[in-house]
Amino acid sequence: DTAVSQTPKYLVTQMGNDKSIKCEQNLGHDTMYWYKQDSKKFLKIMFSYNNKELIINETVPNRFSPKSPDKAHLNLHINSLELGDSAVYFCASSQAGYTEAFFGQGTRLTVV
Amino acid sequence: AQSVSQHNHHVILSEAASLELGCNYSYGGTVNLFWYVQYPGQHLQLLLKYFSGDPLVKGIKGFEAEFIKSKFSFNLRKPSVQWSDTAEYFCAVRGPGGSYIPTFGRGTSLIVHP
Repeated sequence: DTAVSQTPKYLVTQMGNDKSIKCEQNLGHDTMYWYKQDSKKFLKIMFSYNNKELIINETVPNRFSPKSPDKAHLNLHINSLELGDSAVYFCASSQAGYTEAFFGQGTRLTVV
Repeated sequence: AQSVSQHNHHVILSEAASLELGCNYSYGGTVNLFWYVQYPGQHLQLLLKYFSGDPLVKGIKGFEAEFIKSKFSFNLRKPSVQWSDTAEYFCAVRGPGGSYIPTFGRGTSLIVHP
């Protein structure tokens, strides 16, 4: 069983479109994250969410929004896609506190 | 706020050479430290982690790391690298200084020539 799964693995779309990336974890973790990995491999936190608190990286445009239907899911919705949004997006999860994060396989988003 | 610095951005080695990748973190309080590996086209996988106790931690695939609190460092080592170690390596820190959100360094690209 895949611990953290995200879909789709690849997403090619036109500028201006709205898209969503889904993420599910079956580890029973209470915190989930979205990271953006740019072309230089830098991993930047976008959102951290548990059932009590959403922490947003202030540099993330408000076109990006996380949506959590339940504790095991944290989807990423992106409005009005721009060329600069092209990147690999990773979902991750962990328990609160100090434990390690487990990562999904990533979604390679290409905006044309 | 916490931050992580990885000093080596690109490392090229021949097989059997020894490896040491530097990692320093900024937050002075209690933290946990991690090294992740990302093979080409894949997701991040945990290599090893330090929570407390023995500052020398051993991970998978023959990797180890040493936590030196006085230097705020957590360097990754491997005595003899293999071609299959070619990957991107990320150091990460988690602690109250960053709201317990795992913060990553910029990564080190390791290429091992056969």
